[in-house]
Amino acid sequence: DIQMTQSPSSLSASVGDRVTITCQASQDISNYLNWYQQKPGKAPKLLIYDASNLETGVPSRFSGSGSGTDFTFTISSLQPEDIATYYCQQYDNLPDFTFGPGTKVDIK
Amino acid sequence: QVQLQESGPGLVKPSQTLSLTCTVSGGSISSGGYYWSWIRQHPGKGLEWIGYIYYSGSTYYNPSLKSRVTISVDTSKNQFSLKLSSVTAADTAVYYCVRTSSAHFDYWGQGTLVTVSS
Repeated sequence: DIQMTQSPSSLSASVGDRVTITCQASQDISNYLNWYQQKPGKAPKLLIYDASNLETGVPSRFSGSGSGTDFTFTISSLQPEDIATYYCQQYDNLPDFTFGPGTKVDIK
Repeated sequence: QVQLQESGPGLVKPSQTLSLTCTVSGGSISSGGYYWSWIRQHPGKGLEWIGYIYYSGSTYYNPSLKSRVTISVDTSKNQFSLKLSSVTAADTAVYYCVRTSSAHFDYWGQGTLVTVSS
């Protein structure tokens, strides 16, 4: 089974800051990685698919990069509405889907 | 705009079977091109994929739950369903029904909390 780790588990940043979250897979998953945003009490929302593709309608301040085992998710300028938990999700060996443990983002 | 809505009991007794239904609107399950998933989230925890179904009835389950899970589809009602047998307190979670598009989860229901308790 492929295991996913994320770091940090939580962070606090100021409005306008650049925020970076990393996701690491236990084995090479090429670019088979997605990122989701989950606000409190809500369902997750797809932000990035295939490691770096922005889902339609998602603000351009969100971006993703990486391949193989190491991936990065970035918010270029943190906004108050970005308070949420962010999850990575791999799909290297369909239909084996696993999510990372999440990174909680707060405003400082 | 595709919308999904979960329905079913919010309380299930231990050892019984959890049953949920997802009603899809704004798109037809039988049009193909998508799988229809169930994903759960234990309170305050991360996300766990349970399994999915294609409109034809083909199913794939998470190996860790496979022995207890059945997912079925009713294309005439544009619904798909989840049954999880022999539940314990560890199955208490928010259950989401989700459209699966090319290995990413693009449309989610609002989620329904199912508590396993006597």
